[in-house]
Amino acid sequence: NAGVTQTPKFRVLKTGQSMTLLCAQDMNHEYMYWYRQDPGMGLRLIHYSVGEGTTAKGEVPDGYNVSRLKKQNFLLGLESAAPSQTSVYFCASSYPPGNSPLHFGNGTRLTVT
Amino acid sequence: AQTVTQSQPEMSVQEAETVTLSCTYDTSESDYYLFWYKQPPSRQMILVIRQEAYKQQNATENRFSVNFQKAAKSFSLKISDSQLGDAAMYFCAYRGGETSGSRLTFGEGTQLTVNP
Repeated sequence: NAGVTQTPKFRVLKTGQSMTLLCAQDMNHEYMYWYRQDPGMGLRLIHYSVGEGTTAKGEVPDGYNVSRLKKQNFLLGLESAAPSQTSVYFCASSYPPGNSPLHFGNGTRLTVT
Repeated sequence: AQTVTQSQPEMSVQEAETVTLSCTYDTSESDYYLFWYKQPPSRQMILVIRQEAYKQQNATENRFSVNFQKAAKSFSLKISDSQLGDAAMYFCAYRGGETSGSRLTFGEGTQLTVNP
């Protein structure tokens, strides 16, 4: 039972470098989400997708891009990393409707120096 | 936009005692869902309990129960017979309807310490 898998688990980038975080789910969930977690601020939504081929902006989308080419995968890209993007990133997925819980990956710790 | 507020950054409780974590939210929607998630040091996000806004009965899961006050927009979590394994960060979360992508909005979290 893999659930939601995030890769990589850790990454260190230099300012200006780019990278892609991969999220894969094997539960046939329609909805997928990317959050970032910073101390004292809870989890904040970056981007989300309500189905294959769709994406939408969340609360803090600047500096990030996403793609959902396949239902099971949701990619988060950083085109030019900045120190302010140092954070722990979580992917989550769920069925609609709203009382279905979100299933989370184990997070990616990203440090930008 | 919906907001969720947890006014207690830190709480502590003695083992076997009861503790209540507070959560308030703001919304103009009539149909929504509320959740409590637990995050231990492993960083894993674990669902503790959920409540549908249209249900008047408070949800209960073993030692965990909620006090849902819809008019006051309050959703507190009560942990009874606290155990050392309950020590974690607890997040309250709001989930709206499909027009907002059923996104989950989180509070800032409450760090719970359980003292032996």
